[in-house]
Amino acid sequence: DAKTTQPTSMDCAEGRAANLPCNHSTISGNEYVYWYRQIHSQGPQYIIHGLKNNETNEMASLIITEDRKSSTLILPHATLRDTAVYYCIVNTNAGKSTFGDGTTLTVKP
Amino acid sequence: GAVVSQHPSWVICKSGTSVKIECRSLDFQATTMFWYRQFPKQSLMLMATSNEGSKATYEQGVEKDKFLINHASLTLSTLTVTSAHPEDSSFYICSSRVSLAGGLSSYNEQFFGPGTRLTVL
Repeated sequence: DAKTTQPTSMDCAEGRAANLPCNHSTISGNEYVYWYRQIHSQGPQYIIHGLKNNETNEMASLIITEDRKSSTLILPHATLRDTAVYYCIVNTNAGKSTFGDGTTLTVKP
Repeated sequence: GAVVSQHPSWVICKSGTSVKIECRSLDFQATTMFWYRQFPKQSLMLMATSNEGSKATYEQGVEKDKFLINHASLTLSTLTVTSAHPEDSSFYICSSRVSLAGGLSSYNEQFFGPGTRLTVL
């Protein structure tokens, strides 16, 4: 599976958009980009995934660059409950997920 | 989305005893489940891939004789930590992979259980 690089931590003001970047420069053509988040002492929660097109669901938007070497997860209106560790993972559709260190997002009032 | 449960949610045991953790897919069948371990302030580490009806595939460095995995049905996988020691104290998380329909094609999504906190005294 391709390796990902994420900033260790980020802060965001409540109500503002949170933009979480992820670099995956070694991604291969059949690998998807998945985003999960983990709130303290809970199991990870699926957020969104994509292959090459931008995606949006009720939780977030995923912007993937044209060369697919990086992506950004966007939480349009962050709330205090969005404080969590966000993991960006790339793997094949049928592959196992290998977690990196993720980004600790802290949403502040 | 699909629901994955784990039992127990936490357990405290004495050193040398064995502990069994159950992972169930509640509303779907899972031919493949994954077991992860997470130490405090660290990321999840994949331990093994559990396949229904066959032997589990362990990641490098994970002792298969210490962490016994059984996936006897499509809705249940168990992880038994044998002869547990304090260094085995950790947060154990399972997940199930589900094939879902999306647009013109299907895709796989992982659903994670809530985790089991193991403390070995």
